Amino acid sequence: SQQGEEDPQALSIQEGENATMNCSYKTSINNLQWYRQNSGRGLVHLILIRSNEREKHSGRLRVTLDTSKKSSSLLITASRAADTASYFCATEGSGTYKYIFGTGTRLKVLA
Amino acid sequence: GAVVSQHPSWVICKSGTSVKIECRSLDFQATTMFWYRQFPKQSLMLMATSNEGSKATYEQGVEKDKFLINHASLTLSTLTVTSAHPEDSSFYICSARPGTSGNTIYFGEGSWLTVV
Repeated sequence: SQQGEEDPQALSIQEGENATMNCSYKTSINNLQWYRQNSGRGLVHLILIRSNEREKHSGRLRVTLDTSKKSSSLLITASRAADTASYFCATEGSGTYKYIFGTGTRLKVLA
Repeated sequence: GAVVSQHPSWVICKSGTSVKIECRSLDFQATTMFWYRQFPKQSLMLMATSNEGSKATYEQGVEKDKFLINHASLTLSTLTVTSAHPEDSSFYICSARPGTSGNTIYFGEGSWLTVV
């Protein structure tokens, strides 16, 4: 079963703009990871944030985690056409040690 | 970063035959590997969790006799789709975790299965 819901389902922005994607989940987690997937390809790991962390940065990426609201967000700043892809959050449930994926956000960055 | 290799990248098979997909962790030992299935424009659905040397744990609704998973070594897990049918056509993708819980999991490139 799906653990997380992501919104928006689809997002279209102009190059240079920021893109924000949100992920909500239902149960307690050990950590949350964000992945990127180009059409028909494997997943590329972006960031892992642990349940005791609130924010992490990696280059143009910023991830926040609010465990009280059971939500996370991924911000991509100064987007590029090459950022066009689907983005997924995946949560490792407390005590389950398996990763369940959210529904994903399809991002399209227009040049 | 850690590399996970999945083979074959794509396969076409006839209905009723079996197909094996391999997932290898190339530069780390993976105690745990995960198998996912993905339909077009949808998210990844966890099928099963495989631990080296023990039986896989299947998610609810996944037929373990149809999707055979073997994790014989710390670097190799296989998924065999038995008696494949057209509705089994999908994108199958594996992931592997170095070490224990809390570590990043790394994905293979996926395998496209088409059953005709």
